Amino acid sequence: GAGVSQSPSNKVTEKGKDVELRCDPISGHTALYWYRQRLGQGLEFLIYFQGNSAPDKSGLPSDRFSAERTGESVSTLTIQRTQQEDSAVYLCASSLLGPGHNEQFFGPGTRLTVL
Amino acid sequence: TQLLEQSPQFLSIQEGENLTVYCNSSSVFSSLQWYRQEPGEGPVLLVTVVTGGEVKKLKRLTFQFGDARKDSSLHITAAQPGDTGLYLCAGGRSNYQLIWGAGTKLIIKP
Repeated sequence: GAGVSQSPSNKVTEKGKDVELRCDPISGHTALYWYRQRLGQGLEFLIYFQGNSAPDKSGLPSDRFSAERTGESVSTLTIQRTQQEDSAVYLCASSLLGPGHNEQFFGPGTRLTVL
Repeated sequence: TQLLEQSPQFLSIQEGENLTVYCNSSSVFSSLQWYRQEPGEGPVLLVTVVTGGEVKKLKRLTFQFGDARKDSSLHITAAQPGDTGLYLCAGGRSNYQLIWGAGTKLIIKP
């Protein structure tokens, strides 16, 4: 079946503009995660969805960042008034919750460049 | 605060050599996962270990979970250029939460 998809794959924007990043998880996966990865570094947790609710928003860096999810489907991450320090790859992952060990399946990411 | 420490951060070796990457914590995890990430792609799960002392082998890769479930290692035998990538460990804490290490960037030179 299809994996996690993200769009756009690349986004170049000017400082101060808003951007919207999209994630389509694997069908049937109830959990969805957003991460940020700066060049050559590990993953920085942003937000977790269970269904369309977000029990953990603790990783969102500022109030310029927000995310929503429609049912157990697509999610969008919105960054308002982008800053140069927002430049990074934004990764989305989904997992099938239940008894088990929370294996996450990742999309290819959206590379965001803020000029 | 980095709950999972990976070492080394960077490793560049010749094809055919052996190597070990470490993932250490003072916290106990219910499971430990290893992922590999190649440039331009998302991480891909290699293995999950769940029992203290568990050893899993995946071809030339050997994964071990510490007896106390606080640390893990990844050993690669006879490394090949195709092993090049960023290796990430992630510890399972609750039903959804994974704690991620910062990664080990591995380069295997032909």
